[in-house]
Amino acid sequence: ETGVTQTPRHLVMGMTNKKSLKCEQHLGHNAMYWYKQSAKKPLELMFVYNFKEQTENNSVPSRFSPECPNSSHLFLHLHTLQPEDSALYLCASSPNYGDLGTDTQYFGPGTRLTVL
Amino acid sequence: GQNIDQPTEMTATEGAIVQINCTYQTSGFNGLFWYQQHAGEAPTFLSYNVLDGLEEKGRFSSFLSRSKGYSYLLLKELQMKDSASYLCAVRDRGHYNQGGKLIFGQGTELSVKP
Repeated sequence: ETGVTQTPRHLVMGMTNKKSLKCEQHLGHNAMYWYKQSAKKPLELMFVYNFKEQTENNSVPSRFSPECPNSSHLFLHLHTLQPEDSALYLCASSPNYGDLGTDTQYFGPGTRLTVL
Repeated sequence: GQNIDQPTEMTATEGAIVQINCTYQTSGFNGLFWYQQHAGEAPTFLSYNVLDGLEEKGRFSSFLSRSKGYSYLLLKELQMKDSASYLCAVRDRGHYNQGGKLIFGQGTELSVKP
């Protein structure tokens, strides 16, 4: 248990569906992250929120829409996805974002997404 | 640009020692992390290096040479449970010296055999 939870753990959706992924951290951290992990590819950073403000958008298509209502919760809203969006979506949190030495990121277990 | 290289797969024997190498090129190096990821689970933090040299934590050690853009993770007294993917990640300030996002390598899949 890393203190970061994600729901659902598995999700199958059609290309016309709308769904949301949820992440919650119980560590008192100020920064939260969304990553995409595809088979045989490096973890790709999607979004960063620091003190509820989005500080990074790594050229992510608009069919992925993040929301951070407070420092403990992070959502990823999905709509009109493509089959190539099938992947493991990981959430992470850290005490702060960036430049503070050992600012380790703690990961949730991920949501395995399949787009049909 | 940014580039992190590590071997795709390695195999080792239970009880042995294995070294997983990582080379990197970034514009604003600010630390290197190693994570362990078992299949279907979250990556978990193993080690952090920002200065040159060796950091030891029990059976695991990590080394960094900033001038060579090189790190390795050393696993001693291998156990079957060490079979996992090992991810090398570099914190990069970027050209504008702001933030500090992690850039990950593709991971090294380690198989420990009896």
